[in-house]
Amino acid sequence: DVKVTQSSRYLVKRTGEKVFLECVQDMDHENMFWYRQDPGLGLRLIYFSYDVKMKEKGDIPEGYSVSREKKERFSLILESASTNQTSMYLCASSLGQGAGETQYFGPGTRLLVL
Amino acid sequence: GNSVTQMEGPVTLSEEAFLTINCTYTATGYPSLFWYVQYPGEGLQLLLKATKADDKGSNKGFEATYRKETTSFHLEKGSVQVSDSAVYFCALRYYNFGNEKLTFGTGTRLTIIP
Repeated sequence: DVKVTQSSRYLVKRTGEKVFLECVQDMDHENMFWYRQDPGLGLRLIYFSYDVKMKEKGDIPEGYSVSREKKERFSLILESASTNQTSMYLCASSLGQGAGETQYFGPGTRLLVL
Repeated sequence: GNSVTQMEGPVTLSEEAFLTINCTYTATGYPSLFWYVQYPGEGLQLLLKATKADDKGSNKGFEATYRKETTSFHLEKGSVQVSDSAVYFCALRYYNFGNEKLTFGTGTRLTIIP
């Protein structure tokens, strides 16, 4: 089974702190994604990556950056956390082979910025 | 651009009732369509998918048919159980030579009462 793990289930940070969210997948997937989930808004794509050291902006990249130094690991970085970044963050990965492909999700990290 | 509109919740049903959750989409080209489910405290997992018009996806008693003429992918189940209580997300995926994105609906919370 594909496994996508995220470094924390719950995280509390203060405004202005630098925050790292880590995601690791164990199936040699090419593609990795970061979403945020907010009530009434569904999931919105922040960033994605097709390969090591490659990244593409999603729909809401402002205030975020990402890093993919190894194929299995995709990090989301909040350079200076703000209260409007309080949300559930979901990481996903996919093999990278076509239109009907499944994305596999991690359990999520619920971030609270005070 | 691409978008997904799904039935607003919450939806509350009695056990063994018939379920329909509506989903319609707007997309250029020929997207693939997905239903994902999120059980309490967990990440999203794929429930079913369809990659071309008239395909029917099915899993765990749930079904959805890709209707190009009505741009719909409604989720149905003949007899729901308490264990089906979750949030359901409709999504479309458009893949074009490396450009892959999942666009999600806002989610429908389903509660089944014994």
